[in-house]
Amino acid sequence: QSALTQPPSASGSPGQSVTISCTGTSSDVGGYNYVSWYQQHPGKAPKLMIYEVSKRPSGVPDRFSGSKSGNTASLTVSGLQTEDEADYYCSSYAGSNNLVFGGGTKVTVL
Amino acid sequence: QVQLQESGPGLVKPSGTLSLTCVVSGYSISSSSNWWSWVRQPPGKGLEWIGEIYHTGSTNYNPSLKSRVTISVDKSKNQFSLKLSSVTAADTAVYYCTRARGWNWGQGTLVTVSS
Repeated sequence: QSALTQPPSASGSPGQSVTISCTGTSSDVGGYNYVSWYQQHPGKAPKLMIYEVSKRPSGVPDRFSGSKSGNTASLTVSGLQTEDEADYYCSSYAGSNNLVFGGGTKVTVL
Repeated sequence: QVQLQESGPGLVKPSGTLSLTCVVSGYSISSSSNWWSWVRQPPGKGLEWIGEIYHTGSTNYNPSLKSRVTISVDKSKNQFSLKLSSVTAADTAVYYCTRARGWNWGQGTLVTVSS
């Protein structure tokens, strides 16, 4: 199984929106609605932000939203805040009881 | 509130076996319908799923690591464990344990493979 493809970096000014893509194949992202997104601040453990493509765990601001089209999933952060500066990872169920992660995207708030 | 805590040696010699334990509190492994997973992150790099175990003992492993990985569960101690054999420097990473494929994470523990 290959890692999902994410852009290495993305940026936006406070208050703006940023969208991160996560591209896989029909065997993972495109084949199942089990895409998750994680936020990771330096030196910290990842935190679940989105699960099952577009669902938010309790406590995650509604500024975070997820979607999927074909083999590509996306995470959008609206109304960027300084605390949103972090690394973001996607993951997907990849069939045969396997999980695969993306390479990560560093989001910078300008 | 679910809490997970990894523990184990921070230094392992090449060709040796890496052994880690994840103690779960605030949630019973044996009464839940969750998968309990291990994920690792080499320094400065991305996340890699290692494998997972169900409370029944059923396991799933990353195909690229399957030949070297064993995950087990001890319901009496509410903990699960990871063993990775024949380690090399490439196995140096922060190792995380998680509940339900990422809903909750431990703080992570750095394991360095070096002589």
